[in-house]
Amino acid sequence: NAGVTQTPKFRVLKTGQSMTLLCAQDMNHEYMYWYRQDPGMGLRLIHYSVGEGTTAKGEVPDGYNVSRLKKQNFLLGLESAAPSQTSVYFCASSPLIEDTQYFGPGTRLTVL
Amino acid sequence: GESVGLHLPTLSVQEGDNSIINCAYSNSASDYFIWYKQESGKGPQFIIDIRSNMDKRQGQRVTVLLNKTVKHLSLQIAATQPGDSAVYFCAGTWGEYGNKLVFGAGTILRVKS
Repeated sequence: NAGVTQTPKFRVLKTGQSMTLLCAQDMNHEYMYWYRQDPGMGLRLIHYSVGEGTTAKGEVPDGYNVSRLKKQNFLLGLESAAPSQTSVYFCASSPLIEDTQYFGPGTRLTVL
Repeated sequence: GESVGLHLPTLSVQEGDNSIINCAYSNSASDYFIWYKQESGKGPQFIIDIRSNMDKRQGQRVTVLLNKTVKHLSLQIAATQPGDSAVYFCAGTWGEYGNKLVFGAGTILRVKS
């Protein structure tokens, strides 16, 4: 099993550009999550999904959209990137409620 | 709001010594806690978890203690090794379905050889 994978690993955007981050998991997990990690701070939940076709807002959802068209994939979109969205983005998945979340390797995004 | 935080941002220990990393939380409703280890350039890696009906849980070289009275948990690493050097995060669940994690800011553990 590859576990949780993320593409791309690195990306540089200009302000106003759009992009989509892809997360894939091969563990048949129901729940998937997108976090951002900023220096000196813990991970903060952006959006999450409790199953295929569902999405919900986390702590810091503004400026992001997500989609879960397939159970194994969870996409994070930035429609109009801003410098404040410069961060490292982590995807995670878990099989059940209140279960361990397994994280991907992260995507480092810089918005100029 | 909900929060999970750490007392010490950086901890330096000598190789072979025991390490203790502390974490305080504010949400009384949190009933599941996890410790993660994050090495440079990598995603968080699960270390150990504990549910609120327990006050202690042991793994391989690691022990988590939970004190619900004072809303405090700690991670103890026995015989700390250079490979233990990383950032350690505590996290607690919240939300209607208990499936959302709130993370502390992290503690840097440095192991001196």
